[in-house]
Amino acid sequence: EAQLSESGGGLVQPGGSLRLSCGASGFTFSFYVMNWVRQAPGKGLEWVSGISGTGGSTYYADSVQGRFTISRDNSKNTVFLQMNSLRAEDTAVYYCAKDDGNWNPVTLGHWGQGSLVTVSS
Amino acid sequence: QSALTQPPSASGSPGQSVTISCTGTSSDVGGHDYVSWYQHHPGTAPKLIIYEVIKRPSGVPDRFSGSKSGNTASLTVSGLQAEDEADYYCGSYGGRQNFVFGTGTKVTVL
Repeated sequence: EAQLSESGGGLVQPGGSLRLSCGASGFTFSFYVMNWVRQAPGKGLEWVSGISGTGGSTYYADSVQGRFTISRDNSKNTVFLQMNSLRAEDTAVYYCAKDDGNWNPVTLGHWGQGSLVTVSS
Repeated sequence: QSALTQPPSASGSPGQSVTISCTGTSSDVGGHDYVSWYQHHPGTAPKLIIYEVIKRPSGVPDRFSGSKSGNTASLTVSGLQAEDEADYYCGSYGGRQNFVFGTGTKVTVL
């Protein structure tokens, strides 16, 4: 059974940076797309970013394009989300999710418990 | 990348059925069969309950079923139980190497 665990969340000032990590186990990590999804307080789920199994292709929502960077280290079964130029509206619980596909984000089959990011002065 | 449209709320008594709609476009919901549904109890991890329009992951009760017609997908929960009270989100491959969620529906068991 796939297991995912996020870390790296916390309080950061507007304009600051933060790097989230997601460690994975229980499946062949390099075979699958990995995604980041967030939920702002009182709001719904928002897909943020995805990365192909090899790491050769990355995908972003318009709301974070140019500010966030997704990457993965298949030797360490870990996916990262580097978040720069953070804004108050980026405040959310960030979930790591394993996709069932290996190239495009198609089905988010397994999820981590989430990591809270708060952007505030 | 507009969110898919869902009703904000739905409700039913124990044992009854509720159906939630999810409306998109020909680029996402209507363009392929990568439509999925997620159950989310606040404070926990979301859970996949339907994928590829009609398929159920192992362990998901057959009370949950999915369908699609044109640009609208639907989730039906039959034989409502207290533990079904949660937020439900549809999701779809967006057609441009992206993924899009629905606006979410809060299901209340009366």
